[in-house]
Amino acid sequence: AQSVTQLGSHVSVSEGALVLLRCNYSSSVPPYLFWYVQYPNQGLQLLLKYTTGATLVKGINGFEAEFKKSETSFHLTKPSAHMSDAAEYFCAVRRSGGSYIPTFGRGTSLIVHP
Amino acid sequence: EAGVTQSPTHLIKTRGQQATLRCSPISGHTSVYWYQQALGLGLQFLLWYDEGEERNRGNFPPRFSGRQFPNYSSELNVNALELEDSALYLCASSQPGAIYEQYFGPGTRLTVT
Repeated sequence: AQSVTQLGSHVSVSEGALVLLRCNYSSSVPPYLFWYVQYPNQGLQLLLKYTTGATLVKGINGFEAEFKKSETSFHLTKPSAHMSDAAEYFCAVRRSGGSYIPTFGRGTSLIVHP
Repeated sequence: EAGVTQSPTHLIKTRGQQATLRCSPISGHTSVYWYQQALGLGLQFLLWYDEGEERNRGNFPPRFSGRQFPNYSSELNVNALELEDSALYLCASSQPGAIYEQYFGPGTRLTVT
């Protein structure tokens, strides 16, 4: 079985500050890992994904995430928050073999203060 | 390129009624996935259709069903609606061979009163 835990249902930062959204997973086999963003009244948009290879993954809008196998983590970061980054962020994990269906975390709402 | 489209945007039903939600995937995508996003629960996988066949099903009762048409569009049916079925229902699609890269539609907000 696989599961995803996103620490903190809400994260609040000031504009220009570092963004750090935490994601820990459990998986019995090497995982594929994803971060999605959901803006109000919209569907989910893929930010970045890790499948194999380089453990530091760069995505859209200046976000990046690092796969740390020893810590079973895939935290999402951005050096400088913009007001437009305010949204709901979801981490997801999928087994590299077997079911193609990802398991999603409960989401973290990012609030950006001016 | 048009994205995944869903209709209707909002749907209000009474407990015990049936709801039908529709999804059109991106052109060239053959797989369609349905998810339920209830408040505070994240996304729960409902159904996966590929090439007209149901490939996988989440942990939902049989009153949640669907189908995929020859043009790859899909329909989700929820029978005997219950209050806890109120949620945002998201549809996603993917290309053949890129099943892990899903593109999501804006969702249908179902409210059961």
